[in-house]
Amino acid sequence: ETGVTQSPTHLIKTRGQQVTLRCSSQSGHNTVSWYQQALGQGPQFIFQYYREEENGRGNFPPRFSGLQFPNYSSELNVNALELDDSALYLCASSGSGGLTDTQYFGPGTRLTVL
Amino acid sequence: AQSVTQPDIHITVSEGASLELRCNYSYGATPYLFWYVQSPGQGLQLLLKYFSGDTLVQGIKGFEAEFKRSQSSFNLRKPSVHWSDAAEYFCAVQIDSNYQLIWGAGTKLIIKP
Repeated sequence: ETGVTQSPTHLIKTRGQQVTLRCSSQSGHNTVSWYQQALGQGPQFIFQYYREEENGRGNFPPRFSGLQFPNYSSELNVNALELDDSALYLCASSGSGGLTDTQYFGPGTRLTVL
Repeated sequence: AQSVTQPDIHITVSEGASLELRCNYSYGATPYLFWYVQSPGQGLQLLLKYFSGDTLVQGIKGFEAEFKRSQSSFNLRKPSVHWSDAAEYFCAVQIDSNYQLIWGAGTKLIIKP
Protein backbone atom coordinates (compact mmCIF):
# COMPACT_ATOMS: atom_id res chain seq x y z
CA GLU A 1 0.00 0.00 0.00
CA THR A 2 1.53 3.30 -1.07
CA GLY A 3 1.11 6.42 0.99
CA VAL A 4 0.25 9.94 -0.08
CA THR A 5 2.82 11.43 -2.43
CA GLN A 6 3.25 15.02 -3.56
CA SER A 7 5.23 16.67 -6.31
CA PRO A 8 7.34 18.64 -6.65
CA THR A 9 9.15 18.71 -3.32
CA HIS A 10 10.28 22.29 -3.68
CA LEU A 11 9.31 25.08 -6.06
CA ILE A 12 10.42 28.65 -6.55
CA LYS A 13 8.19 31.09 -8.41
CA THR A 14 7.99 34.84 -8.84
CA ARG A 15 5.09 37.08 -7.91
CA GLY A 16 2.30 37.02 -10.46
CA GLN A 17 3.11 33.59 -11.82
CA GLN A 18 0.89 30.53 -11.67
CA VAL A 19 1.74 27.19 -10.05
CA THR A 20 0.34 23.66 -10.07
CA LEU A 21 0.99 21.23 -7.25
CA ARG A 22 0.17 17.54 -7.48
CA CYS A 23 -0.96 14.90 -5.04
CA SER A 24 -1.49 11.17 -5.36
CA SER A 25 -3.83 9.83 -2.72
CA GLN A 26 -3.33 6.69 -0.74
CA SER A 27 -4.61 3.53 -2.35
CA GLY A 28 -8.34 3.08 -1.74
CA HIS A 29 -8.95 6.71 -0.75
CA ASN A 30 -11.42 8.86 -2.69
CA THR A 31 -11.10 12.15 -0.81
CA VAL A 32 -8.29 14.68 -0.93
CA SER A 33 -7.87 17.77 1.22
CA TRP A 34 -5.36 20.55 0.71
CA TYR A 35 -3.80 22.66 3.44
CA GLN A 36 -1.44 25.63 3.50
CA GLN A 37 1.11 25.75 6.31
CA ALA A 38 2.99 29.01 6.70
CA LEU A 39 6.27 28.97 8.57
CA GLY A 40 5.73 28.59 12.31
CA GLN A 41 2.00 28.05 12.01
CA GLY A 42 -0.46 25.22 11.88
CA PRO A 43 -2.00 24.16 8.59
CA GLN A 44 -4.94 26.11 7.18
CA PHE A 45 -7.65 24.24 5.27
CA ILE A 46 -7.89 25.27 1.61
CA PHE A 47 -10.47 22.85 0.19
CA GLN A 48 -11.49 19.23 -0.08
CA TYR A 49 -12.40 17.09 -3.08
CA TYR A 50 -14.61 14.03 -2.91
CA ARG A 51 -15.14 11.94 -6.02
CA GLU A 52 -14.01 14.78 -8.31
CA GLU A 53 -16.29 17.41 -6.75
CA GLU A 54 -15.31 20.20 -4.36
CA ASN A 55 -16.72 19.19 -0.99
CA GLY A 56 -15.83 22.11 1.23
CA ARG A 57 -13.67 25.20 1.14
CA GLY A 58 -11.79 27.27 3.66
CA ASN A 59 -11.21 31.00 3.65
CA PHE A 60 -9.03 31.20 0.54
CA PRO A 61 -9.61 33.41 -2.53
CA PRO A 62 -10.77 32.00 -5.88
CA ARG A 63 -7.25 32.15 -7.31
CA PHE A 64 -6.75 28.95 -5.31
CA SER A 65 -8.45 26.24 -7.32
CA GLY A 66 -8.26 22.50 -7.57
CA LEU A 67 -9.09 19.40 -9.50
CA GLN A 68 -9.56 15.78 -8.67
CA PHE A 69 -9.15 13.13 -11.32
CA PRO A 70 -10.95 9.81 -11.79
CA ASN A 71 -8.04 7.99 -10.12
CA TYR A 72 -8.57 10.39 -7.14
CA SER A 73 -5.25 12.13 -7.57
CA SER A 74 -5.51 15.88 -7.25
CA GLU A 75 -4.02 19.20 -8.30
CA LEU A 76 -3.88 22.52 -6.50
CA ASN A 77 -3.55 25.53 -8.77
CA VAL A 78 -2.66 28.98 -7.55
CA ASN A 79 -2.88 31.93 -9.93
CA ALA A 80 -1.36 35.38 -9.59
CA LEU A 81 1.06 34.31 -6.89
CA GLU A 82 1.67 36.67 -4.00
CA LEU A 83 4.59 36.76 -1.59
CA ASP A 84 2.31 35.54 1.21
CA ASP A 85 1.62 32.36 -0.74
CA SER A 86 5.07 31.14 0.28
CA ALA A 87 4.33 28.12 2.46
CA LEU A 88 4.33 24.36 2.75
CA TYR A 89 1.35 22.92 0.89
CA LEU A 90 0.05 19.69 2.31
CA CYS A 91 -2.22 17.17 0.74
CA ALA A 92 -4.15 14.63 2.78
CA SER A 93 -6.25 11.73 1.62
CA SER A 94 -9.00 9.88 3.41
CA GLY A 95 -11.54 7.18 2.72
CA SER A 96 -14.65 9.26 2.29
CA GLY A 97 -14.05 12.69 3.77
CA GLY A 98 -16.48 11.94 6.54
CA LEU A 99 -16.16 13.28 10.03
CA THR A 100 -14.71 10.08 11.43
CA ASP A 101 -12.24 9.48 8.63
CA THR A 102 -8.55 9.81 9.39
CA GLN A 103 -6.62 12.04 7.03
CA TYR A 104 -3.23 10.76 5.90
CA PHE A 105 -0.77 13.44 4.89
CA GLY A 106 1.88 13.65 2.24
CA PRO A 107 5.29 15.23 2.90
CA GLY A 108 4.26 18.51 1.31
CA THR A 109 5.48 20.86 -1.39
CA ARG A 110 7.53 23.85 -0.25
CA LEU A 111 6.59 26.86 -2.39
CA THR A 112 8.72 29.99 -2.31
CA VAL A 113 7.42 33.11 -4.04
CA LEU A 114 10.01 35.79 -4.77
CA ALA B 1 -15.41 31.17 15.64
CA GLN B 2 -13.85 27.82 16.27
CA SER B 3 -10.22 27.89 17.35
CA VAL B 4 -7.49 25.71 18.78
CA THR B 5 -4.87 27.02 21.19
CA GLN B 6 -1.58 25.40 22.00
CA PRO B 7 -0.17 27.72 24.67
CA ASP B 8 3.41 26.46 24.53
CA ILE B 9 5.44 27.31 21.44
CA HIS B 10 8.44 25.31 22.67
CA ILE B 11 8.86 22.72 25.40
CA THR B 12 12.19 21.26 26.50
CA VAL B 13 12.30 18.03 28.46
CA SER B 14 15.06 15.63 29.40
CA GLU B 15 15.17 12.22 27.81
CA GLY B 16 13.26 9.81 30.03
CA ALA B 17 11.16 12.53 31.64
CA SER B 18 7.40 12.75 31.36
CA LEU B 19 5.69 15.06 28.90
CA GLU B 20 2.43 16.94 28.71
CA LEU B 21 1.49 19.14 25.77
CA ARG B 22 -1.52 21.38 26.20
CA CYS B 23 -4.37 21.94 23.79
CA ASN B 24 -7.53 23.98 24.32
CA TYR B 25 -10.32 24.40 21.81
CA SER B 26 -13.21 26.73 21.35
CA TYR B 27 -16.31 25.12 19.92
CA GLY B 28 -19.95 24.95 20.96
CA ALA B 29 -20.33 21.20 20.77
CA THR B 30 -17.94 18.34 21.33
CA PRO B 31 -15.61 18.27 18.37
CA TYR B 32 -13.60 15.43 17.02
CA LEU B 33 -10.06 15.88 18.38
CA PHE B 34 -6.70 14.88 16.97
CA TRP B 35 -3.02 15.03 17.74
CA TYR B 36 -0.53 14.91 14.88
CA VAL B 37 3.26 14.94 14.89
CA GLN B 38 5.42 16.54 12.21
CA SER B 39 9.09 15.73 11.88
CA PRO B 40 11.36 17.78 9.59
CA GLY B 41 10.89 16.80 5.97
CA GLN B 42 8.05 14.44 6.78
CA GLY B 43 4.33 14.68 6.56
CA LEU B 44 1.97 14.96 9.49
CA GLN B 45 1.45 11.64 11.24
CA LEU B 46 -1.64 10.92 13.31
CA LEU B 47 -0.81 10.05 16.92
CA LEU B 48 -4.34 9.60 18.22
CA LYS B 49 -7.91 10.79 17.90
CA TYR B 50 -11.01 11.19 20.02
CA PHE B 51 -14.54 10.93 18.69
CA SER B 52 -16.59 9.74 21.66
CA GLY B 53 -16.61 7.30 24.56
CA ASP B 54 -13.70 6.84 26.91
CA THR B 55 -12.09 10.23 27.45
CA LEU B 56 -8.60 8.74 27.79
CA VAL B 57 -7.32 7.82 24.37
CA GLN B 58 -4.28 5.69 23.63
CA GLY B 59 -2.21 6.37 20.55
CA ILE B 60 0.92 5.25 18.80
CA LYS B 61 4.48 5.59 20.11
CA GLY B 62 3.31 5.43 23.73
CA PHE B 63 1.29 8.66 23.63
CA GLU B 64 -2.08 9.18 25.26
CA ALA B 65 -4.46 12.11 25.51
CA GLU B 66 -7.32 12.98 27.82
CA PHE B 67 -10.43 14.87 26.75
CA LYS B 68 -11.82 17.13 29.47
CA ARG B 69 -15.09 18.68 28.42
CA SER B 70 -15.27 21.04 31.42
CA GLN B 71 -11.91 22.54 30.50
CA SER B 72 -12.28 22.29 26.69
CA SER B 73 -8.92 20.59 26.70
CA PHE B 74 -7.28 17.64 25.01
CA ASN B 75 -3.78 17.39 26.45
CA LEU B 76 -1.21 14.96 25.11
CA ARG B 77 0.96 12.96 27.50
CA LYS B 78 3.81 10.50 27.44
CA PRO B 79 5.32 8.97 30.57
CA SER B 80 8.90 8.81 29.29
CA VAL B 81 10.16 10.64 26.20
CA HIS B 82 12.82 9.38 23.83
CA TRP B 83 15.20 11.49 21.75
CA SER B 84 13.27 10.38 18.65
CA ASP B 85 10.17 12.19 19.97
CA ALA B 86 11.74 15.54 19.13
CA ALA B 87 9.37 17.06 16.59
CA GLU B 88 6.51 19.51 16.30
CA TYR B 89 3.15 18.47 17.67
CA PHE B 90 -0.17 19.77 16.44
CA CYS B 91 -3.59 19.56 17.99
CA ALA B 92 -6.54 19.75 15.62
CA VAL B 93 -10.31 19.68 15.79
CA GLN B 94 -12.77 18.63 13.13
CA ILE B 95 -16.16 20.30 13.11
CA ASP B 96 -19.33 19.37 11.33
CA SER B 97 -19.08 21.78 8.46
CA ASN B 98 -16.77 21.51 5.45
CA TYR B 99 -15.07 18.53 7.08
CA GLN B 100 -12.04 20.72 7.61
CA LEU B 101 -9.50 20.31 10.36
CA ILE B 102 -8.79 23.42 12.42
CA TRP B 103 -5.27 23.41 13.77
CA GLY B 104 -3.32 24.86 16.63
CA ALA B 105 -0.05 26.65 15.94
CA GLY B 106 1.97 23.70 17.16
CA THR B 107 4.37 22.98 20.02
CA LYS B 108 7.98 22.22 19.25
CA LEU B 109 9.35 19.52 21.52
CA ILE B 110 13.07 19.63 22.28
CA ILE B 111 14.70 16.70 24.04
CA LYS B 112 17.74 17.27 26.27
CA PRO B 113 20.16 14.37 26.44
